[in-house]
Amino acid sequence: DAKTTQPNSMESNEEEPVHLPCNHSTISGTDYIHWYRQLPSQGPEYVIHGLTSNVNNRMASLAIAEDRKSSTLILHRATLRDAAVYYCILRNLAGGYQKVTFGTGTKLQVIP
Amino acid sequence: GAVVSQHPSWVICKSGTSVKIECRSLDFQATTMFWYRQFPKQSLMLMATSNEGSKATYEQGVEKDKFLINHASLTLSTLTVTSAHPEDSSFYICSARSGQGKGGYTFGSGTRLTVV
Repeated sequence: DAKTTQPNSMESNEEEPVHLPCNHSTISGTDYIHWYRQLPSQGPEYVIHGLTSNVNNRMASLAIAEDRKSSTLILHRATLRDAAVYYCILRNLAGGYQKVTFGTGTKLQVIP
Repeated sequence: GAVVSQHPSWVICKSGTSVKIECRSLDFQATTMFWYRQFPKQSLMLMATSNEGSKATYEQGVEKDKFLINHASLTLSTLTVTSAHPEDSSFYICSARSGQGKGGYTFGSGTRLTVV
């Protein structure tokens, strides 16, 4: 899988928007951008994924740069329950499902 | 849908004993499951890929004789830590391919293993 680079940590005030960046300059044309998050002492949970167009779901929005070399996960109103480690992962589905490898992720702290 | 149940959620065992961790897909069939290990303040490290009806594929540096994986059915994979030692204490997480939804993968809630 192509590599991703994320900041180690970020802080946000409660009820404010959060923009979590991810760089993936070696992304290939068939790589999907996935975001997972891991709450303390739990397994990762799926947040959102996309290929080229921006995506929205009930949890978050994903903004993908036009050249696809970076993306941003947007939490519109951070809550204390959003405090977690967020992982940006590239997955190439061209050859079917493959193993998922995790980078270091971004630890998000939400300040009340 | 697409729920993965992992059991137990935590276990304490004596050094030298073996511990079995179960990973079940509750509402879907999973021909492929993955096992991860996570040490405190670190990311998840993939240990092995478990395939139903065949031998698991281990990542480099993971001892296959120490971490036994069995995937005997389409809904169950087990990880057995044999002759556990304190350095095996970690958070173990399984994952299963669950189709197109949720990015295609669902994770279990993890098992906290403490070897004393």
